[in-house]
Amino acid sequence: DAKTTQPPSMDCAEGRAANLPCNHSTISGNEYVYWYRQIHSQGPQYIIHGLKNNETNEMASLIITEDRKSSTLILPHATLRDTAVYYCIVRVAWETSGSRLTFGEGTQLTVNP
Amino acid sequence: GAGVSQSPRYKVAKRGQDVALRCDPISGHVSLFWYQQALGQGPEFLTYFQNEAQLDKSGLPSDRFFAERPEGSVSTLKIQRTQQEDSAVYLCASSLTPQEFNQPQHFGDGTRLSIL
Repeated sequence: DAKTTQPPSMDCAEGRAANLPCNHSTISGNEYVYWYRQIHSQGPQYIIHGLKNNETNEMASLIITEDRKSSTLILPHATLRDTAVYYCIVRVAWETSGSRLTFGEGTQLTVNP
Repeated sequence: GAGVSQSPRYKVAKRGQDVALRCDPISGHVSLFWYQQALGQGPEFLTYFQNEAQLDKSGLPSDRFFAERPEGSVSTLKIQRTQQEDSAVYLCASSLTPQEFNQPQHFGDGTRLSIL
């Protein structure tokens, strides 16, 4: 799986949009971009994933650049409960053996009141 | 329950003891994963089951670690002769089917293991 690079920490004001970047310059054509987050003392929580088109769900939006070498997770109106470590992961799309997730160190997002 | 359930939530053991950690995946989920998370680090893959078959155990750190899923639902991770370096959070995740490659993995809240 391709390696990802994320800033170690970011701050955001409550109510503002949080934009979390991720570089995955060695991503292959058959690899998806996944985002998970982990709130303290909880297991990782799935947020969103995409291949090449932008995606949106009730939690967030995922913007993938045209060359697929980077992406941005957008939390449109951050709340204090969004404080967590956010992981960007690339994962092979066509593997049939289960396709483990390879976590990096993620970005610690702190939402401030 | 609706989510992945792990028990116990916390486990303290003395060095050299054996421990067993349980995972109840989401009902009907075919794929089951175990991960190990050291303090301040991201989770690291240990092993993967498809139904009762253990298809990948390449992440198990030593032969003291053993996992099983005999009936294709509940799974147990066993650690024999525990060492202090085994102290970590052990996470279980499940997903619907392996063929649906873009099915997300759903995680439990883990078992925090402390070896004294």
